[in-house]
Amino acid sequence: SQKIEQNSEALNIQEGKTATLTCNYTNYSPAYLQWYRQDPGRGPVFLLLIRENEKEKRKERLKVTFDTTLKQSLFHITASQPADSATYLCALSPRTYKYIFGTGTRLKVLA
Amino acid sequence: NAGVTQTPKFQVLKTGQSMTLQCAQDMNHNSMYWYRQDPGMGLRLIYYSASEGTTDKGEVPNGYNVSRLNKREFSLRLESAAPSQTSVYFCASRKGTSGGLPYQETQYFGPGTRLLVL
Repeated sequence: SQKIEQNSEALNIQEGKTATLTCNYTNYSPAYLQWYRQDPGRGPVFLLLIRENEKEKRKERLKVTFDTTLKQSLFHITASQPADSATYLCALSPRTYKYIFGTGTRLKVLA
Repeated sequence: NAGVTQTPKFQVLKTGQSMTLQCAQDMNHNSMYWYRQDPGMGLRLIYYSASEGTTDKGEVPNGYNVSRLNKREFSLRLESAAPSQTSVYFCASRKGTSGGLPYQETQYFGPGTRLLVL
């Protein structure tokens, strides 16, 4: 069956460091991958999208990589700040209207 | 521009009761979705509506029904609530441009409805 894995354990990093979050998938050939941010008590908010033929995408302090051979996406936040503390979700879609979400990784940036 | 709105924000039901969760979007989007989010399970798709007049089952449709009332509104109904339906429910919408590649578009989520079934 199709499966998406994100590190379920919280990631704690020091302010100013680079946070790296991982999204792995199996039995899947996604056309694209998205990353969302979710704060407690709120709905997810879109951050970045990367297509299957793209290796890397950047937006300000955010960077996403997509390796379809390894079936993995990495999400980086450089110069992290306490305000970056949240849960980050990855989502895949194989080429349909349906989206498959990972369970999310909780990031805590320590001041 | 309110985006995606959901009502109610919080609800407590007894087993066997019914209720309808309301969702509306003011972005003129064609596609709308209902998800549930449970600890350790992530967001799971219940139903979606690719366009006005169509609905399709997602990953976990059992125990739910939906109605795409018009382009703006997409409701989720629990006919006979069960404790297993205790969850946070999110509605989302997507532009869904005709002739475009739907999977390239992002989703916009509502604030969620927290449902507790006793």
